[in-house]
Amino acid sequence: SYDLTQPVSASMALGQTGTITCGGINLQFKIVHWYQQKPGQAPLLIIYWDNKRPSGIPDRFSGSRSGNTATLTISRVQVGDEADYFCQVWDSNVAVFGGGTKLTVL
Amino acid sequence: EVQLVESGGGLVRPGGSLRLSCEVSGFIVDRYAFHWVRQIPGAGPEWVSIISANGDYIYYADSVKGRFTISRDDAKNSVFLQMSSLRAEDTAVYYCTRGHASGCLEHWGQGAVVTVSS
Repeated sequence: SYDLTQPVSASMALGQTGTITCGGINLQFKIVHWYQQKPGQAPLLIIYWDNKRPSGIPDRFSGSRSGNTATLTISRVQVGDEADYFCQVWDSNVAVFGGGTKLTVL
Repeated sequence: EVQLVESGGGLVRPGGSLRLSCEVSGFIVDRYAFHWVRQIPGAGPEWVSIISANGDYIYYADSVKGRFTISRDDAKNSVFLQMSSLRAEDTAVYYCTRGHASGCLEHWGQGAVVTVSS
């Protein structure tokens, strides 16, 4: 089965810019999506098609990819950004999620 | 407003069956694929199944293949997940989601809790 690797945790300073990575074999040939999940809530799509934002998602969130690593960048980090973040791709007709990164805002 | 509302969760004994329903509203249902995704608290989401807009394309995760069946009734704006031969490891929150052409899961329901325990 296909695996996506994310750091278990990340910390970002309030008001600063930080990144969360997602790695996988041949990720350069796949489309990456990102979700935010706060406690007790369903995941929320925040980036799709590598770098597009759904309506209502602030432009502080952006996505990029270089080689086999996709990156979620959060600018001007806010306390409300504390959440779990998951990347997702498709592989052989199966949707695969990363294990998630727990973001702490300092 | 796009809404997906799951129902049918509950406590079931190992080996038992359960049928989850997802009632959708706020959009033309027959234009979209739907997925079921499950999540154990503290873990990442696990994709379970997809049904395409016309119902011809159905796939399952290996962990549920042969035990779960996804279906849809567009006239009732509903998607279903029939779960049988349930195991303890099927215990999770089950989410109904609307698919997008890019492959993302664009909209999620609030989730239905399924607990498999004796």
